[in-house]
Amino acid sequence: EAQVTQNPRYLITVTGKKLTVTCSQNMNHEYMSWYRQDPGLGLRQIYYSMNVEVTDKGDVPEGYKVSRKEKRNFPLILESPSPNQTSLYFCASSLSGQVYNEQFFGPGTRLTVL
Amino acid sequence: DAKTTQPNSMESNEEEPVHLPCNHSTISGTDYIHWYRQLPSQGPEYVIHGLTSNVNNRMASLAIAEDRKSSTLILHRATLRDAAVYYCILRVNRGNQGGKLIFGQGTELSVKP
Repeated sequence: EAQVTQNPRYLITVTGKKLTVTCSQNMNHEYMSWYRQDPGLGLRQIYYSMNVEVTDKGDVPEGYKVSRKEKRNFPLILESPSPNQTSLYFCASSLSGQVYNEQFFGPGTRLTVL
Repeated sequence: DAKTTQPNSMESNEEEPVHLPCNHSTISGTDYIHWYRQLPSQGPEYVIHGLTSNVNNRMASLAIAEDRKSSTLILHRATLRDAAVYYCILRVNRGNQGGKLIFGQGTELSVKP
């Protein structure tokens, strides 16, 4: 089954403790992206990757890092999480970054930083 | 950023058609119109997209105005499972930003049995 998976689905952590949220897709997609969703602010893009070893900042990249060492994986790294990073996170992928491609979203990771 | 305007909420009865409107008066000639929906506690899900002509797929139909300044997502027979937030999104075909989906507030659709 074609899908985007994220782990963990739920995470409660404390300020400053490094964490990684994994994202994996099995569709051989070139384009991958991370969004966060907050009440009243909607979904906002954090980082995106056009292909392996090609990443760039989205609208809200502060406090996050990403890497794209292989096509299927696009982990989101929070080196020193803070309470304002408490949010619902979604990973997405598409065949390419072209405007006519549909994007597939993962199930989400709910992160709470105390 | 390309902007869309949608009603905050709409209500429908089960098994009746639903027409979800979207205004995008600043659309440019190469911008695509996409619709996504987000069911409760799930990630967004692609519904349909189009450029100029009306489009149909197994989930819905997309009717695009001749001047492209508005569009309507049509669910032909609403079911309870169609209750979700529906997002109308302009995919801007400029630079490297084409991949980004700019989500507005969307329309929250409720379906009554």
